[in-house]
Amino acid sequence: KNQVEQSPQSLIILEGKNCTLQCNYTVSPFSNLRWYKQDTGRGPVSLTIMTFSENTKSNGRYTATLDADTKQSSLHITASQLSDSASYICVVSDRGSTLGRLYFGRGTQLTVWP
Amino acid sequence: EADIYQTPRYLVIGTGKKITLECSQTMGHDKMYWYQQDPGMELHLIHYSYGVNSTEKGDLSSESTVSRIRTEHFPLTLESARPSHTSQYLCASSEYRPRGDVEKLFFGSGTQLSVL
Repeated sequence: KNQVEQSPQSLIILEGKNCTLQCNYTVSPFSNLRWYKQDTGRGPVSLTIMTFSENTKSNGRYTATLDADTKQSSLHITASQLSDSASYICVVSDRGSTLGRLYFGRGTQLTVWP
Repeated sequence: EADIYQTPRYLVIGTGKKITLECSQTMGHDKMYWYQQDPGMELHLIHYSYGVNSTEKGDLSSESTVSRIRTEHFPLTLESARPSHTSQYLCASSEYRPRGDVEKLFFGSGTQLSVL
C-alpha cells in the first residue's frame, strides 16, 4: 500500500530557532515529492517540488532534501518566524505530467512561539 | 499567488438542505479537483475534471456531485446535507504540462462546512 508518513505529528519551537520535518514514503513508482504549507483554515501553498534527480531545493528559509534510495525527505526551516506556524504537508506523486495520483501525508503541525 | 476562489469560506447549515460549494479559477487550467480534509488528516480526492463536460469520482466515496460546464467553474453540490458531511472542502486546479514536466497544483482557500 502506498503511504506517506510524516514526523513529528506536532512541533513547538521558539522564534529564531531552526527545525527539521521528516517525510518517509513507500510510493512506487516515484515521480516527484512536494512540500506544502497550510495555514489554519486556508488551502495548501506549494513550497518546493523535487523530482527523482533532485536531492535538494530551497525556497527562501525553507530547504527540502530528498533521498530517493531510502525514500525519505526532510524540510528544514531556518531562523523560524511566527508566520511559519502552520501545517506542513508532504505529497508524493507516482506520475509526472499527468498528475494522476497524489499521496498526501497528514502533516506536521508547527507552532512557533515568541 | 494562485487565482482560484472558493465561496463561501464558511457554511453552517441544517440537515437535509441542498448546498452548492463554488469554485472558480482564472488561470485557464483544464484540470480541476475537489478534496475533502478533516482536522489532522490527509487530503482525500473526491472529484476531478480534466476539461469541460468531463468529471470523474476520486478515491474517497462521496455523496456529492460536480459539474464542469465552463473551464473556469467547478461547483460541488450536496443534495441533502448530513452531519457526516461536516468537513473542509478544498478546490484545486492544474495546467496540463508536456511529458516530463511537473504539474503544479494550486489550491483555493477552502470552504469549512458544518452540518447541524
